[in-house]
Amino acid sequence: AQTVTQSQPEMSVQEAETVTLSCTYDTSESDYYLFWYKQPPSRQMILVIRQEAYKQQNATENRFSVNFQKAAKSFSLKISDSQLGDAAMYFCAYRSVFGNEKLTFGTGTRLTIIP
Amino acid sequence: EAQVTQNPRYLITVTGKKLTVTCSQNMNHEYMSWYRQDPGLGLRQIYYSMNVEVTDKGDVPEGYKVSRKEKRNFPLILESPSPNQTSLYFCASSNWTRGFQETQYFGPGTRLLVL
Repeated sequence: AQTVTQSQPEMSVQEAETVTLSCTYDTSESDYYLFWYKQPPSRQMILVIRQEAYKQQNATENRFSVNFQKAAKSFSLKISDSQLGDAAMYFCAYRSVFGNEKLTFGTGTRLTIIP
Repeated sequence: EAQVTQNPRYLITVTGKKLTVTCSQNMNHEYMSWYRQDPGLGLRQIYYSMNVEVTDKGDVPEGYKVSRKEKRNFPLILESPSPNQTSLYFCASSNWTRGFQETQYFGPGTRLLVL
C-alpha cells in the first residue's frame, strides 16, 4: 500500500517570502500522480498543483511550484511571494494510475503567514 | 456551475440515531467517493463508486453504508452512529477515464458530531 508522509505539522513564513513544504511517499509503482491540496479555514479542499510521475519537468502554477524527485520519492511544494491568503492546511496526495482513483493523503502541514 | 454539494453541512446527533449525508454532483461524473478527515490522520477513503450500482469499500468502511442508484447522487449512511464517527466528511467526484486531466472535485464538507 502506498503511504504519504508530511513531516512538518506546522510551518510559518513572512509575507512576501518563499516557503517550501515537504512531502515524501512510498510506492512500488512506476507511474502515478501526485497532488498538493490546500484547505483554508473554510475547510474546502482546493487543488493547488499536480504532477505526473512520468514527466520529469516540475509542475508550476503561478507562485506555486514543485520539486519532484522520483528516485528519492520526494514531492515538495514551493510557494513564492507568500500572501496572507496562502494561510491554510496543505495536504500532499498520491494517486495510482490503477485501482479506484483513491487519493492517499498525508497528514497535512499548517502554514501560517506572518504579516 | 460545476459543483459537488453536500447536505447537511453541520450535524449534531446522538449515538445510535440513523443519519444520511447526501452528496450530489452536476458534472455527470462516473466516479464518486467519500472521505473522512481527522486531526493528525489526513483524509481517508470510506467508500467509492465507479458507476451506478457499483460500490466498494475504501480504507475505513466500518460503520458506514453507501448506495448509488443514480449517477449524480452518492449518499453516505450511518445506520448506528458512534462517537468515533465524529469527523469532517468529504464527498468527491471525477470522470473515470484515468486521464491525467481528470481532477477530483470535492464537496464543501460535512462536520458531524456524535454525542
